[in-house]
Amino acid sequence: DTGVSQDPRHKITKRGQNVTFRCDPISEHNRLYWYRQTLGQGPEFLTYFQNEAQLEKSRLLSDRFSAERPKGSFSTLEIQRTEQGDSAMYLCASSRGGAQGTEAFFGQGTRLTVV
Amino acid sequence: RKEVEQDPGPFNVPEGATVAFNCTYSNSASQSFFWYRQDCRKEPKLLMSVYSSGNEDGRFTAQLNRASQYISLLIRDSKLSDSATYLCVVSSYNQGGKLIFGQGTELSVKP
Repeated sequence: DTGVSQDPRHKITKRGQNVTFRCDPISEHNRLYWYRQTLGQGPEFLTYFQNEAQLEKSRLLSDRFSAERPKGSFSTLEIQRTEQGDSAMYLCASSRGGAQGTEAFFGQGTRLTVV
Repeated sequence: RKEVEQDPGPFNVPEGATVAFNCTYSNSASQSFFWYRQDCRKEPKLLMSVYSSGNEDGRFTAQLNRASQYISLLIRDSKLSDSATYLCVVSSYNQGGKLIFGQGTELSVKP
């Protein structure tokens, strides 16, 4: 399967714990996005990368969230000191990139539940 | 004002009906537009890109009105399998091409 891959698919964690999610994009795609989605809402932009460079992080995102894409391939999203409000689906997408904005393809997401 | 706004749903239609969704965007520098489909508890999947001249893919027609800053999606002869949430997506050159999603419009096609 050469699509976008996310791991884990589901994560249940206790409030206050740290969690890390991984995303493997489509191999020839240089742009990678992270989104968060809650029930009844569209995907909310978190951050994105062009190769290994993080281009933008949402101003709505607290300092507890950090993302990396160290070699321009896979990416990780870490949430420190999780809160119940962090419970959501975390979606990763990749695209061929560029400022013109090409269509992106999504992974199946990581569903986070903070208890 | 949200950057991308869609018709509030849900839309409940009978099989065979024609249904239209509208989406407005606030950034006049937007240059790429897409419609995605999302099934319940699944990831969004690209339905179609939206071109300036409008485009059609089978029962689906997408149109762009740059002057009024809106895009539309028309679904003809609705099928039960069209039931899903439809997401409008906009990308703007002056925002580095990042993809901004609307909140989605839910469609339910009934027999």
